Amino acid sequence: GESVGLHLPTLSVQEGDNSIINCAYSNSASDYFIWYKQESGKGPQFIIDIRSNMDKRQGQRVTVLLNKTVKHLSLQIAATQPGDSAVYFCAENTGTASKLTFGTGTRLQVTL
Amino acid sequence: KAGVTQTPRYLIKTRGQQVTLSCSPISGHRSVSWYQQTPGQGLQFLFEYFSETQRNKGNFPGRFSGRQFSNSRSEMNVSTLELGDSALYLCASSPRGRETQYFGPGTRLLVL
Repeated sequence: GESVGLHLPTLSVQEGDNSIINCAYSNSASDYFIWYKQESGKGPQFIIDIRSNMDKRQGQRVTVLLNKTVKHLSLQIAATQPGDSAVYFCAENTGTASKLTFGTGTRLQVTL
Repeated sequence: KAGVTQTPRYLIKTRGQQVTLSCSPISGHRSVSWYQQTPGQGLQFLFEYFSETQRNKGNFPGRFSGRQFSNSRSEMNVSTLELGDSALYLCASSPRGRETQYFGPGTRLLVL
């Protein structure tokens, strides 16, 4: 099961550099946001999440930034590694609904 | 804990047939959501079950249905298959549906 299709935006970064993947979300009522990583043949894997009462959250090598004013989310990956190559999706959710609305995805390619 | 499991992993059907896919959530998770992933439409929400009841539904025709059992395992059924139903079908579970959803590896369905 490959992750997604043929016309994804692609971000190409060199190993060791930092990566920034951006996402615009649509619903101003969304209050919970998640970044997923999907490798070829696998389902989406949880990376990091953030609630709307925060504007920044850090994990191991990853940081998510949330700008509610312009409805924008970003994922920063520090010291990008070959194993980070995958398709990255942002997803939004409202507190009253249990369904996720996914962005179109960005393919991250890490070059050596 | 074991992750979300889905069976079968791959399936080939012909137009007009029906298919049933199975999902076992993470132990203790009572919410199961189903998503369809295609190159053209990306990841789209099908429906969510919680305590054996459908709690949310996406914009898919009635040919797509599901159910959940008392042990939280879930099945989805697609009747009268069409070529456009070829996709990766993903199942995700969460404790109550309003937290992080964890995905299984998916079932790749090919309709000929």
